[in-house]
Amino acid sequence: DGGITQSPKYLFRKEGQNVTLSCEQNLNHDAMYWYRQDPGQGLRLIYYSQIVNDFQKGDIAEGYSVSREKKESFPLTVTSAQKNPTAFYLCASSINDSPRTGGENYGYTFGSGTRLTVV
Amino acid sequence: AQTVTQSQPEMSVQEAETVTLSCTYDTSESDYYLFWYKQPPSRQMILVIRQEAYKQQNATENRFSVNFQKAAKSFSLKISDSQLGDAAMYFCASRGGGTASKLTFGTGTRLQVTL
Repeated sequence: DGGITQSPKYLFRKEGQNVTLSCEQNLNHDAMYWYRQDPGQGLRLIYYSQIVNDFQKGDIAEGYSVSREKKESFPLTVTSAQKNPTAFYLCASSINDSPRTGGENYGYTFGSGTRLTVV
Repeated sequence: AQTVTQSQPEMSVQEAETVTLSCTYDTSESDYYLFWYKQPPSRQMILVIRQEAYKQQNATENRFSVNFQKAAKSFSLKISDSQLGDAAMYFCASRGGGTASKLTFGTGTRLQVTL
């Protein structure tokens, strides 16, 4: 079955270390997204990519980096510059089309998330 | 730019009763789309319902329906015949109609369902 796989489910990081969160999809979606979820703040967009080898900053990109070398993969690196990295991270993908032209095929598929904790 | 506001951090409903979750939004785009997502304790995001702003008719999906008031920029979710499995976080979200537009979420409403 097609879907999005995020790994690991839980991740612990020491202060000062970089960590990379994995996101892989086999839905043939062009667009992929990373969201951060904190209690009381909903989901906030970190980075997104609409095509291979291209990505844009979202609302809270500082302290994060991404790459999009393959259509299926969109890893997120949480760098030591991110001052408060403890959060739940969600990856999503969609067809790279507007809802109007995408019709019933339009929608976002989310992964099951990674819980990152700084220790 | 888009903003989505959910003013009810928590709501409670008795099993079999009806509950309405509120959402207001603001957007500068004339073509936009609204969504309600459910996030159960597993934290998997599940699409509940979506509404195209150009459609006047309110969307419905089984026990879930919306009250879309375009002039008031309001998009509430009504859950009828509430079930224990409806207990979750519910997020309202919006996006513009262009291919470059992104999904913007509200802060969420935690729904409890009691016996």
